[in-house]
Amino acid sequence: KAGVTQTPRYLIKTRGQQVTLSCSPISGHRSVSWYQQTPGQGLQFLFEYFSETQRNKGNFPGRFSGRQFSNSRSEMNVSTLELGDSALYLCASSLAPLETIQPQHFGDGTRLSIL
Amino acid sequence: DAKTTQPTSMDCAEGRAANLPCNHSTISGNEYVYWYRQIHSQGPQYIIHGLKNNETNEMASLIITEDRKSSTLILPHATLRDTAVYYCIVPRGRRDSNYQLIWGAGTKLIIKP
Repeated sequence: KAGVTQTPRYLIKTRGQQVTLSCSPISGHRSVSWYQQTPGQGLQFLFEYFSETQRNKGNFPGRFSGRQFSNSRSEMNVSTLELGDSALYLCASSLAPLETIQPQHFGDGTRLSIL
Repeated sequence: DAKTTQPTSMDCAEGRAANLPCNHSTISGNEYVYWYRQIHSQGPQYIIHGLKNNETNEMASLIITEDRKSSTLILPHATLRDTAVYYCIVPRGRRDSNYQLIWGAGTKLIIKP
């Protein structure tokens, strides 16, 4: 069974641009969560999508948004990029929503660098 | 809000049991404790979770104290491939709103030959 796939693996953007990251969950998984990982703040939860609807949300500004498609694939968009958005963005999938105690399966992330 | 406290780093000899402690004194009665690990340059990997009873799977054992204020993850026979950052995690927030797993700084476990 294929794991969680994130594309691209590396991305370089400049301030003010926008970016879209993609995540393909494990087949049959309907919940997709996004995280930001930085050396200073560690792993921080962005949001969770389940059945094409945002189910849970962390404390990030509105510049960070996402969506989920009917095949459970998810995209995350960041607009008006700032230097502080440089991070590893991780996607995780699970069979059911976060609060159902299902283990999350992570991809290896997209490394985003802002110049 | 529940949060966790873990040692910053630990060493363990290859072949010995690695015991990783975690303090979660503010955990609520119905909240699970989760353990994940992250090997360098990879995404986190689920290890185990528990509520109040001890749990064991093919990767590790989880011992939770009776008062649920702390737990210990045990890797019974550590190998060099177990070198990673280990995260003890508890949830926070309201379901279907801002429910999330809170990741602390974790423990960097180094297995030495």
